[in-house]
Amino acid sequence: DMQMTQSPSSLSASVGDRVTITCRASQTINNYLNWYQQKPGKAPKPLIYAASSLLSGVPSRFSGSGSGTDFTLTISSLQPEDFATYHCQQSFSAPYTFGQGTKLEIK
Amino acid sequence: EVQLVESGGGLVEPGGSLRLSCAASGFTFSSAWMSWVRQGPGKGLEWVGRIKTKGGGGTTDYATPVKGRFSISRDDSTNTLYLQMNGLKSDDTAVYYCSWVGRSGDSPNYYYYMAVWGKGTTVTVSS
Repeated sequence: DMQMTQSPSSLSASVGDRVTITCRASQTINNYLNWYQQKPGKAPKPLIYAASSLLSGVPSRFSGSGSGTDFTLTISSLQPEDFATYHCQQSFSAPYTFGQGTKLEIK
Repeated sequence: EVQLVESGGGLVEPGGSLRLSCAASGFTFSSAWMSWVRQGPGKGLEWVGRIKTKGGGGTTDYATPVKGRFSISRDDSTNTLYLQMNGLKSDDTAVYYCSWVGRSGDSPNYYYYMAVWGKGTTVTVSS
């Protein structure tokens, strides 16, 4: 099965900071990479598909990039509502594995 | 409004069985690929499996840890998705979410993602 590895596992940042989360696939997945945001006790919310395509309603401060095996999620200027856990997922081949998640905390 | 509501979770002993249901509304269920995703206590998300539409063959795929023990099915007449879980283990303890699989892009290179999620139902496997 494809392994997805996120780094870092946790990250402390302040409102207004620019943050980047990395996701690495164990094999090439072209750009079949999704990102989700999850807040405590809630279901995940999709943010980005195809590595860089923002879903409707997602603020433009979120962006994704990458292709092949290495991908990034960037938040250009952190807002209070962005503190959450972020998950990547490959949709290249079943089983459609997730990364272990990155918890973004307030510094 | 698109809505997914899971039910059927609970406490079950190791080796036991449980069937989860997911009631869908607000979209054309029969045209939708559907998935189950779980999240163990304090853990990340784990994709469990997916079922295609009947028109697409109703094909299912499963994560390696559940293959041969779990089975996904659908009833398009009642807009309900099911997850039959047999041979349950303590590692199966998790919140189980059902999800509508969204699709974007152009044939044949579609991009799939978990577009809409239910609130989840909790399964605890313990003696």
